[in-house]
Amino acid sequence: GAVVSQHPSWVICKSGTSVKIECRSLDFQATTMFWYRQFPKQSLMLMATSNEGSKATYEQGVEKDKFLINHASLTLSTLTVTSAHPEDSSFYICSARGVRESSPQHFGDGTRLSIL
Amino acid sequence: GQNIDQPTEMTATEGAIVQINCTYQTSGFNGLFWYQQHAGEAPTFLSYNVLDGLEEKGRFSSFLSRSKGYSYLLLKELQMKDSASYLCAGMDSNYQLIWGAGTKLIIKP
Repeated sequence: GAVVSQHPSWVICKSGTSVKIECRSLDFQATTMFWYRQFPKQSLMLMATSNEGSKATYEQGVEKDKFLINHASLTLSTLTVTSAHPEDSSFYICSARGVRESSPQHFGDGTRLSIL
Repeated sequence: GQNIDQPTEMTATEGAIVQINCTYQTSGFNGLFWYQQHAGEAPTFLSYNVLDGLEEKGRFSSFLSRSKGYSYLLLKELQMKDSASYLCAGMDSNYQLIWGAGTKLIIKP
């Protein structure tokens, strides 16, 4: 149980392109989903928290107009990196949490984004 | 402030036992989580402790002492596939996870 699917796994694209990443909870309802970024050999960095049907809460220093988050249903959240540049290249990971707030977060497999 | 401390790196031998310690300071407390992360992969959930004591799950056990702000993850009968980073995360009063930087565990034959 508690499977989270993240798609795509890898993206390589040109600078200026917008990239959309999907995160789905396959066998449970995710009231809250989280988006993280991780650089090589560094710890997870929370970018934003999204709750179904409401606006995402962004961490300090994360541009909300750059990283658009939509959480339209209890099983799907999307992150769109708008007008991506090489400095946006990173490993993006989503996680989903069930209805109970103390539930563990379950992670998708991550998306490796490379902007040329 | 809120903080999670865990060692940066540990080395152990295949078949042995290793204990990874974690101390935490959070605003309120709603539990302590351990995750495993292999290089280049996303974290996977290992354990959750909210009450004092030891929780055993196969070769892995996790311990919590709320009065000391301390937890450890115990791995027994180490296998080469246990080489990974182990992330400690404390949950604060707002149910937000405060993540440690992770402990890289190296298993030698």
